[in-house]
Amino acid sequence: GAGVSQSPSNKVTEKGKDVELRCDPISGHTALYWYRQSLGQGLEFLIYFQGNSAPDKSGLPSDRFSAERTGGSVSTLTIQRTQQEDSAVYLCASSRRRGSSYEQYFGPGTRLTVT
Amino acid sequence: AQKVTQAQTEISVVEKEDVTLDCVYETRDTTYYLFWYKQPPSGELVFLIRRNSFDEQNEISGRYSWNFQKSTSSFNFTITASQVVDSAVYFCALSEEYTGANSKLTFGKGITLSVRP
Repeated sequence: GAGVSQSPSNKVTEKGKDVELRCDPISGHTALYWYRQSLGQGLEFLIYFQGNSAPDKSGLPSDRFSAERTGGSVSTLTIQRTQQEDSAVYLCASSRRRGSSYEQYFGPGTRLTVT
Repeated sequence: AQKVTQAQTEISVVEKEDVTLDCVYETRDTTYYLFWYKQPPSGELVFLIRRNSFDEQNEISGRYSWNFQKSTSSFNFTITASQVVDSAVYFCALSEEYTGANSKLTFGKGITLSVRP
């Protein structure tokens, strides 16, 4: 079956512009996670969705970052007024249910470059 | 707070050598899960194994084996008879399990493994 998909695969934007990153989880997966992978910080958790609600947003680095999920499926991560330090690979993962006994399946990521 | 340490940053071996990737974790919880993921040059994270804190049995899957020791808070990964296709970045990760919370992963910094022909 289809895995987690993300779009775009690459995004180059100018500092100060807004960007939207999209994640399509595996069908039927109720839990969805966003992570960020950067050279300096490694892999960091950003936000978690269970269905359409986000009970844990503790990893979002600033109020410029927001995310939503609709229909218990597609999720969009929005970064407003991008800064150069936002440059990273943004990874989305989904799992069948919440709980560590269900492994997370990762998408290919969106590489964001802020110039 | 939970923490995962992968002290090795880069390892280079010749094909057919055995190699062990170290992982040390910190957590205050008694119930937790440990993971290994592989990230090949293509970039996509590939799940390798999950182990819960109550199961200390070693696991073997083909050329891969994992050694979980709670006494030393370690979850090491060994590749036997390495192959060029094993070249990748390997991440160890930890997830705590408690009521009402999510299962976000805390990752180590990763180990870059290069297998030379």
